[in-house]
Amino acid sequence: GAVVSQHPSWVICKSGTSVKIECRSLDFQATTMFWYRQFPKQSLMLMATSNEGSKATYEQGVEKDKFLINHASLTLSTLTVTSAHPEDSSFYICSARDVRIDYNEQFFGPGTRLTVL
Amino acid sequence: GQNIDQPTEMTATEGAIVQINCTYQTSGFNGLFWYQQHAGEAPTFLSYNVLDGLEEKGRFSSFLSRSKGYSYLLLKELQMKDSASYLCAPQNSNYQLIWGAGTKLIIKP
Repeated sequence: GAVVSQHPSWVICKSGTSVKIECRSLDFQATTMFWYRQFPKQSLMLMATSNEGSKATYEQGVEKDKFLINHASLTLSTLTVTSAHPEDSSFYICSARDVRIDYNEQFFGPGTRLTVL
Repeated sequence: GQNIDQPTEMTATEGAIVQINCTYQTSGFNGLFWYQQHAGEAPTFLSYNVLDGLEEKGRFSSFLSRSKGYSYLLLKELQMKDSASYLCAPQNSNYQLIWGAGTKLIIKP
């Protein structure tokens, strides 16, 4: 099956620093990847849609200068949280669409738990 | 607008059957997914429906009625490990998944 990895699985950083999260599709090519954020006991919130070779499409209310997304290859997308603050502490999950599957299933990475002190 | 309506929490007994209902409204429709999510983990795929009717997959079945904007997930022979949140996620015309808060299912012995 399609496998998506994320790195790191958890990170603790000081306020004001930047954190980069990687999302990789291990055994398939993903022209589209999605970045989500989930706060405790809340639904997944789509932050942005990342298309290989083009600029990401951000959802309303998500600051593109704060959450930098790069999708430089068909198997890798990165999310950089710049100048992180405690309110950015959350569970960040990526997903990748396997275009070989007709119904556009999204395969999820295991998530990255970010804690900003 | 786009929204999902599922019960917040349900409780069932080990070995029993439970049905989790979902009503939805989306901008366009490209199928509906059900995912399972354990606390602190990412969602895992359970089922996909794009046509009306029932899809059966082992202990789990999912039903869709597009005209009613309604789906349900049926879990049979419940096991303790089935305790998790169950997320109904329709896909809109932009192939984005629309997420609600999900249904927390508690299984009791």
